[in-house]
Amino acid sequence: GNSVTQMEGPVTLSEEAFLTINCTYTATGYPSLFWYVQYPGEGLQLLLKATKADDKGSNKGFEATYRKETTSFHLEKGSVQVSDSAVYFCALNNNAGNMLTFGGGTRLMVKP
Amino acid sequence: EPEVTQTPSHQVTQMGQEVILRCVPISNHLYFYWYRQILGQKVEFLVSFYNNEISEKSEIFDDQFSVERPDGSNFTLKIRSTKLEDSAMYFCASSGGDAYEKLFFGSGTQLSVL
Repeated sequence: GNSVTQMEGPVTLSEEAFLTINCTYTATGYPSLFWYVQYPGEGLQLLLKATKADDKGSNKGFEATYRKETTSFHLEKGSVQVSDSAVYFCALNNNAGNMLTFGGGTRLMVKP
Repeated sequence: EPEVTQTPSHQVTQMGQEVILRCVPISNHLYFYWYRQILGQKVEFLVSFYNNEISEKSEIFDDQFSVERPDGSNFTLKIRSTKLEDSAMYFCASSGGDAYEKLFFGSGTQLSVL
Protein backbone atom coordinates (compact mmCIF):
# COMPACT_ATOMS: atom_id res chain seq x y z
CA GLY A 1 0.00 0.00 0.00
CA ASN A 2 0.89 3.67 0.00
CA SER A 3 2.68 5.33 2.87
CA VAL A 4 4.47 8.60 3.62
CA THR A 5 7.12 9.08 6.27
CA GLN A 6 8.34 12.47 7.35
CA MET A 7 10.69 13.59 10.03
CA GLU A 8 9.22 14.06 13.44
CA GLY A 9 9.19 17.48 14.97
CA PRO A 10 9.18 19.88 16.39
CA VAL A 11 11.83 21.55 14.31
CA THR A 12 13.00 24.75 15.97
CA LEU A 13 15.01 27.26 13.95
CA SER A 14 16.11 30.83 14.24
CA GLU A 15 14.87 33.36 11.72
CA GLU A 16 16.80 33.26 8.42
CA ALA A 17 18.03 29.71 9.03
CA PHE A 18 17.91 27.06 6.30
CA LEU A 19 15.06 24.58 6.53
CA THR A 20 14.87 20.98 5.42
CA ILE A 21 11.98 18.69 6.28
CA ASN A 22 12.54 15.18 5.02
CA CYS A 23 9.79 13.16 3.36
CA THR A 24 9.97 9.71 1.83
CA TYR A 25 7.21 7.66 0.34
CA THR A 26 6.21 4.16 -0.68
CA ALA A 27 3.81 3.76 -3.56
CA THR A 28 3.27 1.75 -6.70
CA GLY A 29 3.33 3.58 -9.99
CA TYR A 30 3.85 7.29 -10.26
CA PRO A 31 2.06 9.24 -7.55
CA SER A 32 1.69 12.98 -7.38
CA LEU A 33 3.42 14.47 -4.35
CA PHE A 34 2.34 17.41 -2.22
CA TRP A 35 3.31 19.56 0.71
CA TYR A 36 0.45 21.01 2.74
CA VAL A 37 0.84 23.59 5.50
CA GLN A 38 -1.44 24.18 8.47
CA TYR A 39 -1.16 27.48 10.28
CA PRO A 40 -2.60 27.70 13.81
CA GLY A 41 -6.39 27.62 13.81
CA GLU A 42 -6.63 27.10 10.06
CA GLY A 43 -7.18 24.25 7.62
CA LEU A 44 -4.54 22.56 5.53
CA GLN A 45 -3.39 24.64 2.57
CA LEU A 46 -1.61 23.30 -0.48
CA LEU A 47 1.92 24.70 -0.43
CA LEU A 48 3.38 23.03 -3.50
CA LYS A 49 3.16 19.92 -5.60
CA ALA A 50 5.00 17.85 -8.18
CA THR A 51 3.41 15.36 -10.51
CA LYS A 52 6.31 13.49 -12.07
CA ALA A 53 9.92 12.53 -11.45
CA ASP A 54 12.42 15.41 -11.34
CA ASP A 55 9.67 18.01 -11.17
CA LYS A 56 10.34 20.81 -8.70
CA GLY A 57 7.42 22.36 -6.88
CA SER A 58 7.93 25.83 -5.46
CA ASN A 59 5.90 28.46 -3.66
CA LYS A 60 6.58 31.26 -1.14
CA GLY A 61 10.30 30.46 -1.14
CA PHE A 62 9.73 26.77 -0.40
CA GLU A 63 10.92 24.10 -2.83
CA ALA A 64 10.71 20.33 -3.13
CA THR A 65 11.99 18.05 -5.89
CA TYR A 66 10.34 14.75 -6.80
CA ARG A 67 13.17 12.20 -6.58
CA LYS A 68 11.97 8.84 -7.82
CA GLU A 69 15.31 7.14 -7.35
CA THR A 70 15.28 7.89 -3.62
CA THR A 71 11.46 8.03 -3.31
CA SER A 72 11.78 11.39 -1.61
CA PHE A 73 10.22 14.83 -1.69
CA HIS A 74 12.12 16.89 0.85
CA LEU A 75 10.90 20.39 1.63
CA GLU A 76 13.49 23.20 1.72
CA LYS A 77 13.59 26.92 2.28
CA GLY A 78 16.70 29.03 2.25
CA SER A 79 15.70 31.55 4.90
CA VAL A 80 12.75 30.93 7.21
CA GLN A 81 10.65 33.62 8.82
CA VAL A 82 8.66 33.63 12.05
CA SER A 83 5.51 33.59 9.92
CA ASP A 84 6.54 30.17 8.55
CA SER A 85 5.80 28.60 11.94
CA ALA A 86 3.20 25.94 11.20
CA VAL A 87 2.70 22.21 10.75
CA TYR A 88 3.87 20.83 7.41
CA PHE A 89 2.39 17.68 5.90
CA CYS A 90 3.84 15.64 3.07
CA ALA A 91 1.25 13.70 1.05
CA LEU A 92 0.84 11.59 -2.06
CA ASN A 93 -2.01 10.86 -4.42
CA ASN A 94 -1.79 7.59 -6.27
CA ASN A 95 -5.19 7.39 -7.91
CA ALA A 96 -7.73 9.50 -9.68
CA GLY A 97 -9.88 9.96 -6.59
CA ASN A 98 -7.82 12.45 -4.55
CA MET A 99 -7.43 9.86 -1.79
CA LEU A 100 -4.42 11.57 -0.28
CA THR A 101 -2.04 9.60 1.92
CA PHE A 102 -0.45 11.90 4.48
CA GLY A 103 2.68 11.79 6.54
CA GLY A 104 2.46 12.47 10.23
CA GLY A 105 3.17 16.18 9.99
CA THR A 106 6.18 18.16 11.18
CA ARG A 107 5.78 21.18 13.42
CA LEU A 108 8.14 24.04 12.57
CA MET A 109 8.81 26.75 15.12
CA VAL A 110 10.81 29.76 13.99
CA LYS A 111 12.17 32.06 16.67
CA PRO A 112 13.05 35.70 16.06
CA GLU B 1 -9.00 33.39 -1.52
CA PRO B 2 -12.24 31.38 -1.23
CA GLU B 3 -12.62 29.21 1.85
CA VAL B 4 -14.20 25.97 2.95
CA THR B 5 -16.24 26.59 6.08
CA GLN B 6 -16.90 23.99 8.74
CA THR B 7 -19.31 24.12 11.65
CA PRO B 8 -19.18 23.66 14.54
CA SER B 9 -15.50 24.06 15.38
CA HIS B 10 -15.95 21.84 18.43
CA GLN B 11 -18.57 19.19 19.09
CA VAL B 12 -18.96 17.16 22.24
CA THR B 13 -21.31 14.21 22.28
CA GLN B 14 -22.15 11.15 24.30
CA MET B 15 -21.26 7.70 23.03
CA GLY B 16 -24.10 6.27 20.98
CA GLN B 17 -25.47 9.61 19.91
CA GLU B 18 -25.77 10.74 16.31
CA VAL B 19 -23.71 13.71 15.14
CA ILE B 20 -23.78 15.73 11.95
CA LEU B 21 -20.74 17.70 10.91
CA ARG B 22 -21.39 20.47 8.46
CA CYS B 23 -19.31 21.94 5.68
CA VAL B 24 -19.82 24.62 3.08
CA PRO B 25 -17.44 23.88 0.20
CA ILE B 26 -16.20 26.47 -2.24
CA SER B 27 -19.14 27.42 -4.40
CA ASN B 28 -17.98 26.31 -7.85
CA HIS B 29 -16.31 23.10 -6.70
CA LEU B 30 -17.74 19.74 -7.67
CA TYR B 31 -15.66 17.28 -5.63
CA PHE B 32 -16.03 16.98 -1.89
CA TYR B 33 -14.09 15.04 0.72
CA TRP B 34 -13.92 14.18 4.38
CA TYR B 35 -10.66 13.42 6.14
CA ARG B 36 -10.00 12.94 9.82
CA GLN B 37 -7.05 13.07 12.20
CA ILE B 38 -7.10 11.22 15.47
CA LEU B 39 -4.90 12.94 18.04
CA GLY B 40 -1.28 11.98 17.50
CA GLN B 41 -2.00 10.09 14.29
CA LYS B 42 -1.91 10.85 10.58
CA VAL B 43 -4.61 12.60 8.58
CA GLU B 44 -6.70 9.82 7.01
CA PHE B 45 -9.01 9.80 4.01
CA LEU B 46 -12.63 8.91 4.72
CA VAL B 47 -14.70 9.55 1.62
CA SER B 48 -14.97 11.46 -1.63
CA PHE B 49 -18.23 12.62 -3.21
CA TYR B 50 -19.07 13.71 -6.71
CA ASN B 51 -22.26 14.15 -8.67
CA ASN B 52 -24.36 13.30 -5.62
CA GLU B 53 -22.75 9.98 -4.92
CA ILE B 54 -19.75 8.51 -3.16
CA SER B 55 -16.75 8.15 -5.48
CA GLU B 56 -14.34 6.47 -3.10
CA LYS B 57 -14.37 5.48 0.54
CA SER B 58 -11.83 4.03 2.93
CA GLU B 59 -12.18 1.10 5.28
CA ILE B 60 -12.86 3.58 8.07
CA PHE B 61 -16.05 4.74 6.36
CA ASP B 62 -18.32 1.94 7.49
CA ASP B 63 -22.10 1.75 7.81
CA GLN B 64 -22.05 4.15 10.75
CA PHE B 65 -20.96 6.96 8.44
CA SER B 66 -22.91 8.70 5.72
CA VAL B 67 -22.50 11.82 3.63
CA GLU B 68 -25.03 14.04 2.02
CA ARG B 69 -25.29 17.18 -0.03
CA PRO B 70 -28.74 18.26 1.09
CA ASP B 71 -28.82 21.45 -0.94
CA GLY B 72 -26.61 23.37 -3.32
CA SER B 73 -24.21 24.62 -0.69
CA ASN B 74 -23.82 22.22 2.23
CA PHE B 75 -21.97 18.93 2.53
CA THR B 76 -22.50 16.90 5.68
CA LEU B 77 -20.94 13.93 7.44
CA LYS B 78 -23.22 11.96 9.73
CA ILE B 79 -22.04 9.46 12.29
CA ARG B 80 -25.04 7.39 13.28
CA SER B 81 -23.98 6.04 16.66
CA THR B 82 -20.73 7.54 17.85
CA LYS B 83 -18.01 5.51 19.51
CA LEU B 84 -15.15 6.70 21.68
CA GLU B 85 -12.72 5.99 18.86
CA ASP B 86 -14.57 8.43 16.58
CA SER B 87 -13.03 11.27 18.59
CA ALA B 88 -10.90 13.16 16.09
CA MET B 89 -10.50 16.33 14.08
CA TYR B 90 -12.67 16.03 10.97
CA PHE B 91 -11.63 18.02 7.90
CA CYS B 92 -13.86 18.78 4.96
CA ALA B 93 -12.26 19.60 1.62
CA SER B 94 -13.35 20.45 -1.89
CA SER B 95 -11.77 20.71 -5.30
CA GLY B 96 -12.83 21.39 -8.83
CA GLY B 97 -12.43 23.21 -12.05
CA ASP B 98 -9.08 23.09 -13.73
CA ALA B 99 -7.25 22.41 -10.45
CA TYR B 100 -8.86 19.11 -9.52
CA GLU B 101 -5.83 17.93 -7.52
CA LYS B 102 -5.72 21.11 -5.43
CA LEU B 103 -7.79 20.39 -2.36
CA PHE B 104 -9.03 23.27 -0.23
CA PHE B 105 -9.49 22.22 3.37
CA GLY B 106 -11.65 23.67 6.08
CA SER B 107 -10.24 24.39 9.53
CA GLY B 108 -11.86 21.27 10.94
CA THR B 109 -14.39 20.17 13.53
CA GLN B 110 -12.96 18.70 16.71
CA LEU B 111 -15.30 15.88 17.73
CA SER B 112 -15.07 14.58 21.28
CA VAL B 113 -17.07 11.47 22.16
CA LEU B 114 -17.49 10.94 25.90
